[in-house]
Amino acid sequence: DSGVTQTPKHLITATGQRVTLRCSPRSGDLSVYWYQQSLDQGLQFLIHYYNGEERAKGNILERFSAQQFPDLHSELNLSSLELGDSALYFCASSKTSGGALAKNIQYFGAGTRLSVL
Amino acid sequence: AQKITQTQPGMFVQEKEAVTLDCTYDTSDPSYGLFWYKQPSSGEMIFLIYQGSYDQQNATEGRYSLNFQKARKSANLVISASQLGDSAMYFCAMREPGANNLFFGTGTRLTVIP
Repeated sequence: DSGVTQTPKHLITATGQRVTLRCSPRSGDLSVYWYQQSLDQGLQFLIHYYNGEERAKGNILERFSAQQFPDLHSELNLSSLELGDSALYFCASSKTSGGALAKNIQYFGAGTRLSVL
Repeated sequence: AQKITQTQPGMFVQEKEAVTLDCTYDTSDPSYGLFWYKQPSSGEMIFLIYQGSYDQQNATEGRYSLNFQKARKSANLVISASQLGDSAMYFCAMREPGANNLFFGTGTRLTVIP
């Protein structure tokens, strides 16, 4: 058990809908990262938050947004869903924002499997 | 250009044997970190081992070791005494200082044969 909690584990919804994925980081971790894993794109970085502030954006669509709350949990909001958004969405957490430290191990949650029908 | 390349889509290994999963990387930064993760069929991503570019010795964690060849830009994962539970996807990843995220390879599916 990595200590990172993601809910729900599975989500089935229809095109055009909006969903919210939730992540609770490991105790003491200030950074939360969101990744998308799909068959065609592999594992892709979406966005990084550190202590409530957005630090970096990756290949995140404008229809997607995220936030990190004062208690450090994070939510990823996906709207106007398309079939191609079906994927496994991971949240990961680490103690720091990384900066000059290359180590900064990221621990992953079990993921939320999103199916858009 | 791909930052991480894993050229073996699938590998088979006999139980109790050792296996090497290949990973090459591309970076011009002298400081970087290399990671291996395991993804069983259940889907979760499990951190296995880390190697820093300035680390003098190859990293080891139990049955996992990293064969780090800096000049060749390779960071191969060696699993010794394979077990049936080692059957999974294995991903190599890299982080460069200043970057917040990990760059992942496409993964290698390892199957351990009884």
